[in-house]
Amino acid sequence: QKEVEQDPGPLSVPEGAIVSLNCTYSNSAFQYFMWYRQYSRKGPELLMYTYSSGNKEDGRFTAQVDKSSKYISLFIRDSQPSDSATYLCAMSTGGGNKLTFGTGTQLKVEL
Amino acid sequence: GAVVSQHPSWVICKSGTSVKIECRSLDFQATTMFWYRQFPKQSLMLMATSNEGSKATYEQGVEKDKFLINHASLTLSTLTVTSAHPEDSSFYICSASGQNTEAFFGQGTRLTVV
Repeated sequence: QKEVEQDPGPLSVPEGAIVSLNCTYSNSAFQYFMWYRQYSRKGPELLMYTYSSGNKEDGRFTAQVDKSSKYISLFIRDSQPSDSATYLCAMSTGGGNKLTFGTGTQLKVEL
Repeated sequence: GAVVSQHPSWVICKSGTSVKIECRSLDFQATTMFWYRQFPKQSLMLMATSNEGSKATYEQGVEKDKFLINHASLTLSTLTVTSAHPEDSSFYICSASGQNTEAFFGQGTRLTVV
């Protein structure tokens, strides 16, 4: 069993839809949770960074962490074609520690 | 967010030669830098972790004599692929983090060995 599980997709949604991306994990030592967006042939871009259970909102993005269920989510509201990318969840046992990534979910937002 | 600059963005080299990739943190001190490798349609695979002034810690299966990592300052780490072969062709990405902070990634380097 992988430490971090993420559905690779692809996920295709119409413009304006709410997108829900999810990861589950097995290592209860993970305390820091991140979501990255990666466009083709580019490095990952940090979208959200959280270290406590609950919700964190930033613009159209909301990150949700449920440590009791070992489950994290990223919601994208009013999705745009420019949101089409691969979204990677990542987690670590401490700030500055190495990250363990999910496989990434490929998202396509269509006009 | 913080800026991490990786150079070059792409490189083509002949089999048997060595290639150096630089990773710089432009606006913060990176106490730890990570080097990843990514194959098409796959996630990032951690190769090694380096702390400034210390030897890098390599993940299992990564040849330390082939992938030389130097982290001589708080703003610069280098990865040298020695005696490169076609199977080393990949997308290499660095990330940098400060003390107890999130990690920021460079733009990546696409290496093609011919």
